[in-house]
Amino acid sequence: GAVVSQHPSWVICKSGTSVKIECRSLDFQATTMFWYRQFPKQSLMLMATSNEGSKATYEQGVEKDKFLINHASLTLSTLTVTSAHPEDSSFYICSALESRGSGTEAFFGQGTRLTVV
Amino acid sequence: DAKTTQPTSMDCAEGRAANLPCNHSTISGNEYVYWYRQIHSQGPQYIIHGLKNNETNEMASLIITEDRKSSTLILPHATLRDTAVYYCIVRVGVTSYDKVIFGPGTSLSVIP
Repeated sequence: GAVVSQHPSWVICKSGTSVKIECRSLDFQATTMFWYRQFPKQSLMLMATSNEGSKATYEQGVEKDKFLINHASLTLSTLTVTSAHPEDSSFYICSALESRGSGTEAFFGQGTRLTVV
Repeated sequence: DAKTTQPTSMDCAEGRAANLPCNHSTISGNEYVYWYRQIHSQGPQYIIHGLKNNETNEMASLIITEDRKSSTLILPHATLRDTAVYYCIVRVGVTSYDKVIFGPGTSLSVIP
């Protein structure tokens, strides 16, 4: 299957600072990527849809000014958590859609564990 | 997307077949059934998908009922490494950039 790579795998940052997470599709081009957040013992919650060359679409309740998404190329989307606070500590996961003959397939990165102290 | 219903958790003996059910009674005609799994602290992994015919790949088999209101994911010979949360999702897959929305999933524990 296609490969999606996230970087970093984990990060610890101080409260009030910003953190950038990268999501790359390594062997395919992705016009659409998704960003999820997952708290312990919970399912993945969709935060936003990232479209190459246009503004991201945020799910209800997700602050667009706090979670900045940039999808400047067909292989890279970034999520920046601005002015991070301890409640932003979570597991962040990206997904990229690959077009195939049988439809679009979603492939996921390995996730980024963010801890805000 | 149509909603799905899955059991919260299941156990399976190592080496036996694991049969994970999913109900999707409101599925639309153009929606596919997708299965993903998530091993602890990793990103989800695609397993298989289907529209109305049964499907099989190197990982699993997918059995979809004739009325398409339910399906079963079958892991033919479960191993300890198959312990994970399994998500059944319905979405319009063909020529679609539809969101992938996750429900609670089924936590499968493979027991030695």
